[in-house]
Amino acid sequence: EAQVTQNPRYLITVTGKKLTVTCSQNMNHEYMSWYRQDPGLGLRQIYYSMNVEVTDKGDVPEGYKVSRKEKRNFPLILESPSPNQTSLYFCASSSRTLNTGELFFGEGSRLTVL
Amino acid sequence: GENVEQHPSTLSVQEGDSAVIKCTYSDSASNYFPWYKQELGKRPQLIIDIRSNVGEKKDQRIAVTLNKTAKHFSLHITETQPEDSAVYFCAAPLSGSARQLTFGSGTQLTVLP
Repeated sequence: EAQVTQNPRYLITVTGKKLTVTCSQNMNHEYMSWYRQDPGLGLRQIYYSMNVEVTDKGDVPEGYKVSRKEKRNFPLILESPSPNQTSLYFCASSSRTLNTGELFFGEGSRLTVL
Repeated sequence: GENVEQHPSTLSVQEGDSAVIKCTYSDSASNYFPWYKQELGKRPQLIIDIRSNVGEKKDQRIAVTLNKTAKHFSLHITETQPEDSAVYFCAAPLSGSARQLTFGSGTQLTVLP
């Protein structure tokens, strides 16, 4: 089954404790991206990756890091989480070669930073 | 800056009535306009999209219209049903950017029985 898998789905942590949210897709997609969703603000892009070893900032990259060492994985790293990073996070992927434009989203990771 | 504006932020309709959600975009070079539906507690999923070489596209009870001159596009849902209740997001690509899609702020649609 084609899917984007995120882990963990839910996490409560404390300020300053480094955490990683993993994202994996099995569709051989070149493009992967991270979004955060906050009430009234829609989906805002954090970072994206066009392919392996190619990453770039989105609209709200501050406080986040990413890496793309393998095509299927695109982890989101919060080196020193702060309460303003409490949010719902979505990973997404799409195929650039097919040019359909459709983004496939993971199920989301709800993060609370105390 | 380049962005996508979506209105209204909330919309309530009676079951069976129609619902219309509108988005405007700023980049005249944008050529792809998808709509995503997000049910409560679920992930966003593509429901319909349109490319700039057509003015309208239909899929059963949903349709999208595009006015490139005015730089706006709309989602139309006819004969609304309770299962249409969700948050709807429009999106458009940024020209010259590899970031693909910029999303609107979303519309919470509630279909009242």
